[in-house]
Amino acid sequence: QVTLKESGPVLVKPTETLTLTCTVSGFSLSNARMGVSWIRQPPGKALEWLAHIFSNDEKSYSTSLKSRLTISKDTSKSQVVLTMTNMDPVDTATYYCARFTDYGDYDYWGQGTLVTVSS
Amino acid sequence: DIQMTQSPSSLSASVGDRVTITCQASQDISNYLNWYQQKPGKAPKLLIYDASNLETGVPSRFSGSGSGTDFTFTISSLQPEDIATYYCQQYDNLQLTFGGGTKVEIK
Repeated sequence: QVTLKESGPVLVKPTETLTLTCTVSGFSLSNARMGVSWIRQPPGKALEWLAHIFSNDEKSYSTSLKSRLTISKDTSKSQVVLTMTNMDPVDTATYYCARFTDYGDYDYWGQGTLVTVSS
Repeated sequence: DIQMTQSPSSLSASVGDRVTITCQASQDISNYLNWYQQKPGKAPKLLIYDASNLETGVPSRFSGSGSGTDFTFTISSLQPEDIATYYCQQYDNLQLTFGGGTKVEIK
């Protein structure tokens, strides 16, 4: 059974750095046909892709947020970590991690974690 | 970056109606287009991949078509449980984009 679960702070202050962890089970982060992405959704708004990481450690970032994002993985812990620097209230959103397949789609998603940016 | 223009942003239809949503890419994306359903408070669910392939377990009233820049998602007979927001998503050259979403309501 494939599952993904996000964890991290529910509240961060402006200018702080956000660190989110996605813990996966039911598949390996070394699986050549899979990757993991982070996607966010501000309240009442659309989905926004942030970053993804492949089994070979290749990474890709949203052009608009690239300077603030870092994605990494620890295969032995089955975890993918996203850091986002210089948080702002507009970054308030539910952050999802999802499994990315070689069809370019997301077949499994985490439940999401709401991160609020406020002083 | 490739932009995805999804329309309409919302629609209201009766149970049993045929519902159509369109998604237009700002450049040719072949068939690298997927469709998701998101219900309130839940994560999105994959319905259609590669423009026209039905994900396992998804009811056959859902379908997709198109290639290049223009894509269509159809619910052949709207059911009460289909109330949700639907998103298209493209994958091109390691960059992904979602459409703005279409909120489907029952009239």
